[in-house]
Amino acid sequence: AQTVTQSQPEMSVQEAETVTLSCTYDTSESNYYLFWYKQPPSRQMILVIRQEAYKQQNATENRFSVNFQKAAKSFSLKISDSQLGDTAMYFCAFMNPGGGGADGLTFGKGTHLIIQP
Amino acid sequence: DTGVSQDPRHKITKRGQNVTFRCDPISEHNRLYWYRQTLGQGPEFLTYFQNEAQLEKSRLLSDRFSAERPKGSFSTLEIQRTEQGDSAMYLCASSVIYNEQFFGPGTRLTVL
Repeated sequence: AQTVTQSQPEMSVQEAETVTLSCTYDTSESNYYLFWYKQPPSRQMILVIRQEAYKQQNATENRFSVNFQKAAKSFSLKISDSQLGDTAMYFCAFMNPGGGGADGLTFGKGTHLIIQP
Repeated sequence: DTGVSQDPRHKITKRGQNVTFRCDPISEHNRLYWYRQTLGQGPEFLTYFQNEAQLEKSRLLSDRFSAERPKGSFSTLEIQRTEQGDSAMYLCASSVIYNEQFFGPGTRLTVL
C-alpha cells in the first residue's frame, strides 16, 4: 500500500514571499501520478498541479512548481509570490493508475498554509 | 458545466438512523469516487465506479455502507445504523479515466 507523508502541519509566510511545502511518499510502483490539491476554508478541493512519474521535467503552473525527486520519493510544492488567496489546506496525493489495489487517491494529512498580509 | 454537486450539504442524524447522500458528477466523466474526510486529516478513499460498475472498495467501507451508481450517472452512498464514528465530511469526485479528479463540496455528516 502507498503512503504519503506531509511533515509540516502548518506554515505561515508573508504575502509575496516564496514558500515550499514538503511531501514524501512510499511505493513499490514505477508508474504513478502525484498531485497537489488545495482546499480553501469551507470550499471544495481543487487541483493545483500534477506530475506523472515517467516525466523527468518538473511540472509548473504559473506561480506553482514542483520539485520531483523520484529516487528520493519526494514531491515538494513551491509557491512563488504568495497571495492572500493562497491561504488553504494543501494536500499531496498519490495515484497508481490501473494498478492493483485502490485506484483512488492516497492523500497526506495536509499542510495548513497561512499567508499573512 | 456546473461541476460536481452533492446533496445534502449538511446532515444531522441520530445514532442508529440510516442516511443517504447523493453525488452528481460532471456529465462526461465515467469515473466517480467517494472519499471520507475527518477533521485534521486528508480524505480517505472509500470506493469508486467506472460507469455503473463498482470496481474497488476500501476496507474502510464496512458492511453498513453501500454505494450505487445506477445507469452510470449520479451515485448514492447509504450508511445504515449510523454510529458516532461515522461523523465526517463525505466527498465525491469524478474524472475521465486516469485524469484529474474534480471534487464536489462534500456532505458534512454529524451523528448525535
